[in-house]
Amino acid sequence: TQLLEQSPQFLSIQEGENLTVYCNSSSVFSSLQWYRQEPGEGPVLLVTVVTGGEVKKLKRLTFQFGDARKDSSLHITAAQPGDTGLYLCANAGNMLTFGGGTRLMVKP
Amino acid sequence: EAQVTQNPRYLITVTGKKLTVTCSQNMNHEYMSWYRQDPGLGLRQIYYSMNVEVTDKGDVPEGYKVSRKEKRNFPLILESPSPNQTSLYFCASSLFGQGSGYTFGSGTRLTVV
Repeated sequence: TQLLEQSPQFLSIQEGENLTVYCNSSSVFSSLQWYRQEPGEGPVLLVTVVTGGEVKKLKRLTFQFGDARKDSSLHITAAQPGDTGLYLCANAGNMLTFGGGTRLMVKP
Repeated sequence: EAQVTQNPRYLITVTGKKLTVTCSQNMNHEYMSWYRQDPGLGLRQIYYSMNVEVTDKGDVPEGYKVSRKEKRNFPLILESPSPNQTSLYFCASSLFGQGSGYTFGSGTRLTVV
């Protein structure tokens, strides 16, 4: 069974700061997806990465996929209060398997 | 608007009283699935379906049933709910499953007393 570990579990920062959250897998990802979930809502897909070493950017968010396809990072530049939420990584194989998430709070 | 619609959003029921949570998608997606989300345990898959009449167990299927008679609908059935099924439930759909993005519903908060 694949285990996905995300770190840190909780992160509280001030508006304008940069941050990085991590996702590590016990086995190679089929493909890796990052989601953001806001309270009371379902997760929303941010990005899918497939190729080892791949880097994708989505405005202030930068996603990196490790060369060995077993780890990933999400970097946010100049965080804003609207970035607050639960960030989840997931292995998108035959089933979608989630990590425990990083709960981010960005204070104004 | 492309979406996954779950109903109801909130439900309080008593132990043993059968209930169904409905899920419908309007994107012609092949793949649909159900998850439950619990504090400290994260999102766990209950059942998934790769196409009409094809369903399979996820990580936590005990106490649940599903059916996929039509492509757009994937109801979750609790034949005899118990308090340990109190949770936040999400339905999701995906064009073809592996590697494609998932669209989630807004969730159903179920309380079994």
